[in-house]
Amino acid sequence: DSGVTQTPKHLITATGQRVTLRCSPRSGDLSVYWYQQSLDQGLQFLIQYYNGEERAKGNILERFSAQQFPDLHSELNLSSLELGDSALYFCASSSGLAGGTSTDTQYFGPGTRLTVL
Amino acid sequence: AQSVTQLDSQVPVFEEAPVELRCNYSSSVSVYLFWYVQYPNQGLQLLLKYLSGSTLVESINGFEAEFNKSQTSFHLRKPSVHISDTAEYFCAVSNSGGYQKVTFGTGTKLQVIP
Repeated sequence: DSGVTQTPKHLITATGQRVTLRCSPRSGDLSVYWYQQSLDQGLQFLIQYYNGEERAKGNILERFSAQQFPDLHSELNLSSLELGDSALYFCASSSGLAGGTSTDTQYFGPGTRLTVL
Repeated sequence: AQSVTQLDSQVPVFEEAPVELRCNYSSSVSVYLFWYVQYPNQGLQLLLKYLSGSTLVESINGFEAEFNKSQTSFHLRKPSVHISDTAEYFCAVSNSGGYQKVTFGTGTKLQVIP
């Protein structure tokens, strides 16, 4: 158990809908990362938040947005869903930011499997 | 920009045989390198990482990887695999400076055959 929790575990919805995925980081971790894992695209980094602020952006679509709340949990909002958005969405957390001469380990949650019909 | 290539999408190997999972990277700056393992229906777990220092890094369950700067490689090896090693393995790279934006490879599925 990594200590990172994600809800829900499974989500089935229809095209055009909007969903919210939730992530609670490990106790004490300030950084939250979101990833999308699909068969055709592999594992893609979406976005990172550190202590409530957006710090890095990857291949995140404009239809997707995220935020990190004062209690450090994070939500990933996916709107105008398309069939191609069906994927596993992972959240990871780490204690800080990489920078300078060190980095810290990302701990992954179990993921939310999104199916868009 | 950085990238990671895992040429082998699947590697079948018999139990107790050695295995090497290949990973090559490209980056214009110094890098950190990682191997993550994903067991069925689970999230990713860090297996080992190279930050600096000794180019040979080891995990607690017998895997090792060697950073080879001249060949831009970070291959993962184990001298004798077990059934429990069946999983998908991801190589990843991040720049040694700046924020932890990690680029993952496409993964290699290791199937250990009894």
